[in-house]
Amino acid sequence: AQTVTQSQPEMSVQEAETVTLSCTYDTSENNYYLFWYKQPPSRQMILVIRQEAYKQQNATENRFSVNFQKAAKSFSLKISDSQLGDTAMYFCAFRATQGGSEKLVFGKGTKLTVNP
Amino acid sequence: EPEVTQTPSHQVTQMGQEVILRCVPISNHLYFYWYRQILGQKVEFLVSFYNNEISEKSEIFDDQFSVERPDGSNFTLKIRSTKLEDSAMYFCASNLEAGFTEAFFGQGTRLTVV
Repeated sequence: AQTVTQSQPEMSVQEAETVTLSCTYDTSENNYYLFWYKQPPSRQMILVIRQEAYKQQNATENRFSVNFQKAAKSFSLKISDSQLGDTAMYFCAFRATQGGSEKLVFGKGTKLTVNP
Repeated sequence: EPEVTQTPSHQVTQMGQEVILRCVPISNHLYFYWYRQILGQKVEFLVSFYNNEISEKSEIFDDQFSVERPDGSNFTLKIRSTKLEDSAMYFCASNLEAGFTEAFFGQGTRLTVV
């Protein structure tokens, strides 16, 4: 079974600075998908960024980028130029590509606070 | 922009009562899911639904739970006899295709069992 581990329960950063959230996962599959979801106080889950495991190039979406290290099974999220609106819970998630499973497996989340 | 809609936003029910949580997925999506999040904990998969049948379910999704897509637009989660430990945030999600596509989540229904 796949597992996702987020080792940082809480983090804080000053506005305009850069912060990196960690995520590791465990799987025996060679191809899969990885996602970062943001959950602001409104509780809705919003996709931030995604990565296909067979692509070596790290995904980037504006201020958000990932550092995907497949051999180490690591998928960290970097937020540049942090904004107050980035304050939220961030969940790393895994989706398998084989076996017909379409479910997302989530980590426990990291609570990020951006301070003014 | 299309969105997944869940109703109600908050429901309080007595232990032992049946509840139905409702979701309207994005209209052209084909895969539907229910997840739950107990307060302060991670989001957990409950069930996936495709082609009018359950495609996968977790250990949490026991005989007390059922899902239905009664009319081609709604997707419901029924809990037959609620327990205190069913108190959680329940999220509906849908996606158009399998694999790399984004799963769109609803805003959640907070279920409180008293």
